[in-house]
Amino acid sequence: SYELTQPPSVSVSPGQTASITCSGDKLGFKYSSWYQQRPGQSPVLVMYQDNKRPSGIPERFSGSSSGNTATLTISGTQAMDEAAYYCQAWDSSTAVFGGGTKLTVL
Amino acid sequence: QVQLVQSGAEVKKPGAAVKVSCKVPGYTLTALSMHWVRQAPGKGLEWMGGFDPEVAKIMYAKKFQGRVTMTEDTATDTAHMELRSLTSEDTAIYYCAINKNRRGHYFDFWGQGTRVTVSS
Repeated sequence: SYELTQPPSVSVSPGQTASITCSGDKLGFKYSSWYQQRPGQSPVLVMYQDNKRPSGIPERFSGSSSGNTATLTISGTQAMDEAAYYCQAWDSSTAVFGGGTKLTVL
Repeated sequence: QVQLVQSGAEVKKPGAAVKVSCKVPGYTLTALSMHWVRQAPGKGLEWMGGFDPEVAKIMYAKKFQGRVTMTEDTATDTAHMELRSLTSEDTAIYYCAINKNRRGHYFDFWGQGTRVTVSS
């Protein structure tokens, strides 16, 4: 079965750029999506089809994908961006999530 | 914004079944792709199944095949997810999530979650 791998944690200082990676076999040939989940809340879509931002998601969020890796980048990270982030792709009529990355804004 | 409204928390005994519902006010289910995702305490997101527009039917994760049934009541525009033969490993928050336009394999909007506790 298809698997997506994320680093368990990423730390960033306020105002700096955070990059969260997601790795999977030939992931660049599939569309990747990203979800933000704050503690006690439901997930929120922050990026879809690799690099498209849903309405209401700040411009500091951007996405890219190539080869085996998709990346979610947060520029000018704010304290409110501290959350868990999950990547997701679709393979053989199945949705697959990465294990999640806890973003800490120090 | 699209709101998804799920049914309330459930407590079940091992071996029982649970049925969770999800309604999307103002939308008809046939215009959406409805999915179910669960999250065990302290764990990540796990897709259970949902509507795949490319094959026009509900697909289930292999892990849950034979134990889960997802249905859509078009008369009430309510989606249901029934999970049977529950064990403590099924204790989790269960989310419904949709792709609003059936145009992609991502989840635009999510329900508030339904907490299911399996305990003897």
